[in-house]
Amino acid sequence: EVQLVESGGGLVQPGGSLRLSCAASGFTFSSYAMGWVRQAPGKGLEWVSGIGGSGSSTYYADSVKGRFTISRDNSKNTLYLEMISLRVEDTAVYYCAKYGSGSSHLDYWGQGTLVTVSA
Amino acid sequence: QSALTQPASVSGSPGQSITISCTGTSSDIGNYNYVSWYQQHPGKAPKLMIYDVSNRPSGVSNRFSGSKSGNTASLTISGLQAEDEADYYCSSSTTSSTRVFGTGTKVTVL
Repeated sequence: EVQLVESGGGLVQPGGSLRLSCAASGFTFSSYAMGWVRQAPGKGLEWVSGIGGSGSSTYYADSVKGRFTISRDNSKNTLYLEMISLRVEDTAVYYCAKYGSGSSHLDYWGQGTLVTVSA
Repeated sequence: QSALTQPASVSGSPGQSITISCTGTSSDIGNYNYVSWYQQHPGKAPKLMIYDVSNRPSGVSNRFSGSKSGNTASLTISGLQAEDEADYYCSSSTTSSTRVFGTGTKVTVL
């Protein structure tokens, strides 16, 4: 059974930083691209970032480019999202998700971790 | 990358069919057959319902179907049931190697 468990969310001041983690199990982690999707309170889904199976290819939404860094440790089956220079508008539930074969869709999602950016 | 455009709400009676549209551009939906649809119940994580325009993952009811024409994709739910009441989001790959989601549609079962 595929499981994705996020951690690392919390309250941070504007300008601060935070690192999210996503522990994966139930599949061959290194064989699949992974991604982060966020959802601000009461709003829709926003794709944030994606990374290839080997970690050599990374992609970002314009809204986070230069501030967020996605990475993975295939030896630990863990996905990360390093976030710096956080803004109030980064407040959201952050979901970790696995890409399906062909990397065209997100077939499994974690339950999400809440990041609140507030003074 | 602007969000794909979906109607804010769609409603139908039990047993009826409804269709949700998702309009993009030639930089996303119009350029790829990589449209996916997600269902999200309140307080829950999204669930994949359709991928690559019209494919259903194992375990998803055949009441859900997808299609695409030009820059617009559609999700049809036939035989509407109370459990289908949820938010639905489309998504597409883009020419920038990113992904984009739709604005979301709230489905209400009357």
